[in-house]
Amino acid sequence: NAGVTQTPKFRVLKTGQSMTLLCAQDMNHEYMYWYRQDPGMGLRLIHYSVGEGTTAKGEVPDGYNVSRLKKQNFLLGLESAAPSQTSVYFCASSRDKNTGELFFGEGSRLTVL
Amino acid sequence: SQKIEQNSEALNIQEGKTATLTCNYTNYSPAYLQWYRQDPGRGPVFLLLIRENEKEKRKERLKVTFDTTLKQSLFHITASQPADSATYLCALVPSGGYNKLIFGAGTRLAVHP
Repeated sequence: NAGVTQTPKFRVLKTGQSMTLLCAQDMNHEYMYWYRQDPGMGLRLIHYSVGEGTTAKGEVPDGYNVSRLKKQNFLLGLESAAPSQTSVYFCASSRDKNTGELFFGEGSRLTVL
Repeated sequence: SQKIEQNSEALNIQEGKTATLTCNYTNYSPAYLQWYRQDPGRGPVFLLLIRENEKEKRKERLKVTFDTTLKQSLFHITASQPADSATYLCALVPSGGYNKLIFGAGTRLAVHP
């Protein structure tokens, strides 16, 4: 079982460059999320989706865009990367909004120079 | 302001002892609270969920308590083992939230032989 797969695992960008992080889940989950994790801080929600074709803003959405064209995929885009976006990004999915168990990917470490 | 706090200092204990980790929150009314384990370089893994009307939940060597009056959850690992060494995250979902978990920064547990 692959679960939640994130690509790429590591990436170095220069300020102003753009990139897309891909998240794929094979559990047929309706809900998908993108979090960032920074030292000394809890995971912070960037954007989330409650189903194919829907997206919504989380706690820290500025500078990011997302798309959920297919149920199994959730893409996170950075249009013009900034050093403040250096972080570890985690994608997660869940089956049920009421019980809330999240299944996380292994993370994508992004460095913006 | 709304906060969820975990002890930022690492907890060091001897193998076989009970580890107790604390999660405190302010200005939230959680529908439920979860605990996750995170190993270095990996994504968080779900451990336990406890609802607002539950006082205690157990799973094998793990026990979670939830006191909505004190606004606190305690996470216990009995008969701890070096393999339990990891960072433990608490997360809560405010009432009415769309599974938008809010995470604490985590507490690192080190179990010494």
